[in-house]
Amino acid sequence: GENVEQHPSTLSVQEGDSAVIKCTYSDSASNYFPWYKQELGKRPQLIIDIRSNVGEKKDQRIAVTLNKTAKHFSLHITETQPEDSAVYFCAASRARGNKLVFGAGTILRVKS
Amino acid sequence: SAVISQKPSRDICQRGTSLTIQCQVDSQVTMMFWYRQQPGQSLTLIATANQGSEATYESGFVIDKFPISRPNLTFSTLTVSNMSPEDSSIYLCSVVDRVGEKLFFGSGTQLSVL
Repeated sequence: GENVEQHPSTLSVQEGDSAVIKCTYSDSASNYFPWYKQELGKRPQLIIDIRSNVGEKKDQRIAVTLNKTAKHFSLHITETQPEDSAVYFCAASRARGNKLVFGAGTILRVKS
Repeated sequence: SAVISQKPSRDICQRGTSLTIQCQVDSQVTMMFWYRQQPGQSLTLIATANQGSEATYESGFVIDKFPISRPNLTFSTLTVSNMSPEDSSIYLCSVVDRVGEKLFFGSGTQLSVL
């Protein structure tokens, strides 16, 4: 089955700097890659997603890139703010609407 | 996106007992899943709740321990049976929004087993 690895497990950045979180997946049939943000005590929230026919997608300060050949995808957050501090999870599935396999998560701390 | 209500939001239970968690969605959805999030960990899929038929369980999860019902397209329950402290986790129902085919989560049930 699918296996998703996520790095780093923790990431500390200064406010205003960029943050990058990377994931690799094992199932070459996976073609949908969402990212979730989970604040302490709250449910995971979908922040951005990408399909395999697209190499990059942006939404304001966040972007996701996908390298299907290498089977890895990354989350980029620019101009980080303290409210970006949370746990971020990447995930993969064979199709939108199908079950997701999640990475282990990255704790992002933005220091002001 | 769909509004997903889950209850109870938290509970403290004695070992050996069972707890049923309810998940109610404000619109009909095709796909509904149950996930577990152990303390400080990632999200692990327990099963896919199938409307009108038996749930599809992932490796490591069995129906006797986690029976699931899904009587219609807006409601599902997950029961955690014969609980032990190792079952202490957050249990989350999730649904695929028909509009966007994206996965959204309920507010979760934080379970502590003593």
